[in-house]
Amino acid sequence: AQSVAQPEDQVNVAEGNPLTVKCTYSVSGNPYLFWYVQYPNRGLQFLLKYITGDNLVKGSYGFEAEFNKSQTSFHLKKPSALVSDSALYFCAADEPDTDKLIFGTGTRLQVFP
Amino acid sequence: NAGVTQTPKFQVLKTGQSMTLQCAQDMNHNSMYWYRQDPGMGLRLIYYSASEGTTDKGEVPNGYNVSRLNKREFSLRLESAAPSQTSVYFCASSPGTGNSPLHFGNGTRLTVT
Repeated sequence: AQSVAQPEDQVNVAEGNPLTVKCTYSVSGNPYLFWYVQYPNRGLQFLLKYITGDNLVKGSYGFEAEFNKSQTSFHLKKPSALVSDSALYFCAADEPDTDKLIFGTGTRLQVFP
Repeated sequence: NAGVTQTPKFQVLKTGQSMTLQCAQDMNHNSMYWYRQDPGMGLRLIYYSASEGTTDKGEVPNGYNVSRLNKREFSLRLESAAPSQTSVYFCASSPGTGNSPLHFGNGTRLTVT
């Protein structure tokens, strides 16, 4: 079965430090990959996507993601975390030949002052 | 821009009651989706509609029905609510081109007692 895994339920990081939120996928073909962020009591908001080309993708709010085909990973990164980055982050991959996305279970990012 | 609008924001039902969750988008998107979000489960697709007049089952369709009333509106109906349907429900839309991100509403928090 096709799946997206986020191995960490929660990531804690101090403000100003770099952050990484991990994502691996098991989806056939060359899927499009996405990161979304969810703030409390809100819907998910799109952060960035990988379609093809450069393995480092830049997105909103200073976030970037590194695609690694051999490891089937798409980790979210930010060089310097802010307290306001604290939220729930979801990785997703598009299901081949459909308009559907396969979501991971989410990782809660907590940035401490 | 309103984007994706969901009503109501909150609802409490008794077991066996019925209700319809409403969703409308003003972005002229072709595809619309209903997800449920449960702790530790991420987002699970209930139903989706790739275009006006078509609907398809997602991962967890049992106990739900949908209607794509027109291009703008996609409603989700619970005919006989059960406590297992206590969840946060999100509607989303996209242009339907595969690599386009989803746009989410702010959710409906449903409790079934």
